[in-house]
Amino acid sequence: DAGVIQSPRHEVTEMGQEVTLRCKPISGHNSLFWYRQTMMRGLELLIYFNNNVPIDDSGMPEDRFSAKMPNASFSTLKIQPSEPRDSAVYFCASSGGDGLAAYFGPGTRLTVT
Amino acid sequence: GNSVTQMEGPVTLSEEAFLTINCTYTATGYPSLFWYVQYPGEGLQLLLKATKADDKGSNKGFEATYRKETTSFHLEKGSVQVSDSAVYFCALYTGGFKTIFGAGTRLFVKA
Repeated sequence: DAGVIQSPRHEVTEMGQEVTLRCKPISGHNSLFWYRQTMMRGLELLIYFNNNVPIDDSGMPEDRFSAKMPNASFSTLKIQPSEPRDSAVYFCASSGGDGLAAYFGPGTRLTVT
Repeated sequence: GNSVTQMEGPVTLSEEAFLTINCTYTATGYPSLFWYVQYPGEGLQLLLKATKADDKGSNKGFEATYRKETTSFHLEKGSVQVSDSAVYFCALYTGGFKTIFGAGTRLFVKA
């Protein structure tokens, strides 16, 4: 089992640029989560999907953030335009069903200069 | 609302010491409880879980017992190793596809 796959692993960009983070969940999992982790705020849930449908995006910090899940095997998190305060590690996680544990990807470390 | 409270870190121990990381929760209904571990530079990994009162989850020498009467799920290990140095997250799940995580407790184990 390949686990949750995220790309890129590291991203360095300049303020104002568009950033797209990608995630491939574990095959057969029907729930997908995007988290952000920083030293100051810890682990924050941004948005989650069930069966490709966004269920709760109340954690998305601003309109600059958007997420899509066009099919069961792929999701993106986009930041446009990016700002230095967006610098963080972004994790994607997937789960096989209601109540089951979430499996995390290795994360994307984003640095916005 | 539902929430998880963990003891603040960092926790620093010598190798072979006994470990306890406290976790208490507030929840409606009957949540499932989890401990996750995050090693440096990696994502969170499920360490153990318990789905009902009095269940004991265990893995890699770590244990935690679901105590409904004290709303607690403390993580313990009898003899820690340097390789256990990581951040540990307590989490609960009450439904609706969403897991609620604690703030995390950083553990340093010295040789």
